[in-house]
Amino acid sequence: DAKTTQPTSMDCAEGRAANLPCNHSTISGNEYVYWYRQIHSQGPQYIIHGLKNNETNEMASLIITEDRKSSTLILPHATLRDTAVYYCIVRVESNTGKLIFGQGTTLQVKP
Amino acid sequence: ETGVTQSPTHLIKTRGQQVTLRCSSQSGHNTVSWYQQALGQGPQFIFQYYREEENGRGNFPPRFSGLQFPNYSSELNVNALELDDSALYLCASSLLGQGPQETQYFGPGTRLLVL
Repeated sequence: DAKTTQPTSMDCAEGRAANLPCNHSTISGNEYVYWYRQIHSQGPQYIIHGLKNNETNEMASLIITEDRKSSTLILPHATLRDTAVYYCIVRVESNTGKLIFGQGTTLQVKP
Repeated sequence: ETGVTQSPTHLIKTRGQQVTLRCSSQSGHNTVSWYQQALGQGPQFIFQYYREEENGRGNFPPRFSGLQFPNYSSELNVNALELDDSALYLCASSLLGQGPQETQYFGPGTRLLVL
């Protein structure tokens, strides 16, 4: 199973962009990178996913390096409500597509 | 809101008892996956149900079992509860068959405390 490495914690000023890095050096050619976040004691919330190209939706942007060994989730204008644990997941190519969560990055957005 | 609902929201049981947790999947989804999240840890995959059959299982003992019903809702049953079973139990629904782009949407979870 592909593994991911994320910083344990990060701070960001409210209104600024939050850039959350993730390393996934053992990713296979057709495995997708998924990002979820979990606000305290709630269920994980899907944010975005991508394969090779950069992706953008109403919540965030996902930048994947050309060699696909790392990616960055960008929250363009962080708010206090973006304070959460952010999980970078390489989706296992299997019949179940089970998600393997690591420890994630705790993002603290400060006023 | 994902449209995935779980009940109950909180539950307290004693060691040795049995518990049943319930999950209603998002409209149009045919698959339910269950995860266990201990305090301070990321969610761990328990198993997945598709077409009313188990479709993959994580490293959990047989006392963790499940069901899926024709309307795609699901139950997680845990027998002979142990103190370490105290956790947030999450279900996620998805539409199997989309390949690696299949996205799982999570419910709010059931917090189980075993005393």
